Amino acid sequence: EPEVTQTPSHQVTQMGQEVILRCVPISNHLYFYWYRQILGQKVEFLVSFYNNEISEKSEIFDDQFSVERPDGSNFTLKIRSTKLEDSAMYFCASTPEDNSPLHFGNGTRLTVT
Amino acid sequence: GENVEQHPSTLSVQEGDSAVIKCTYSDSASNYFPWYKQELGKRPQLIIDIRSNVGEKKDQRIAVTLNKTAKHFSLHITETQPEDSAVYFCAASQRDSSYKLIFGSGTRLLVRP
Repeated sequence: EPEVTQTPSHQVTQMGQEVILRCVPISNHLYFYWYRQILGQKVEFLVSFYNNEISEKSEIFDDQFSVERPDGSNFTLKIRSTKLEDSAMYFCASTPEDNSPLHFGNGTRLTVT
Repeated sequence: GENVEQHPSTLSVQEGDSAVIKCTYSDSASNYFPWYKQELGKRPQLIIDIRSNVGEKKDQRIAVTLNKTAKHFSLHITETQPEDSAVYFCAASQRDSSYKLIFGSGTRLLVRP
């Protein structure tokens, strides 16, 4: 069964640095998402992306965050200037249409020191 | 916006007993309610979901019930096994809202052998 893949599995960065988290959605999917989970807390919606543009974003997704689909296979989340509180697990997800269950990738654990 | 409350935060049951986790939601426009199971350090995995036009759904030992009037839904696990031990999250979304899932705070289920 095809899966959403995310790289790297763990990223350590210093405060103020830029990071790019990468995701390869399932090939025929059209809707893409980023969620995050701070350690021990609930999963939080960040952003949804469809037809090469953001369709919805949360309050968490401020100007420090951006998403991009640079080619036909990758979907990236960029954090421009990381803060300590950005430390979390970031999950990517994709769906073929707006009526399908959401399945997450394995996540990238971001540690900001 | 939508708010999802989940109870209890921890639940300990004896193997073979049933476990019930309850969630309430605030937005009457929400119409899709998935449940995810998350093992330590892993991604949330969809175990069952229900749409607002259905009152109950069952899949082997797992069932979900939905009361739209009261705006609450519950997860029922029968004949629990040690491998059911995990954190369970409920979520709610409006299907027209590009899959912005709002998650509950999670229930840590421990099944004692």
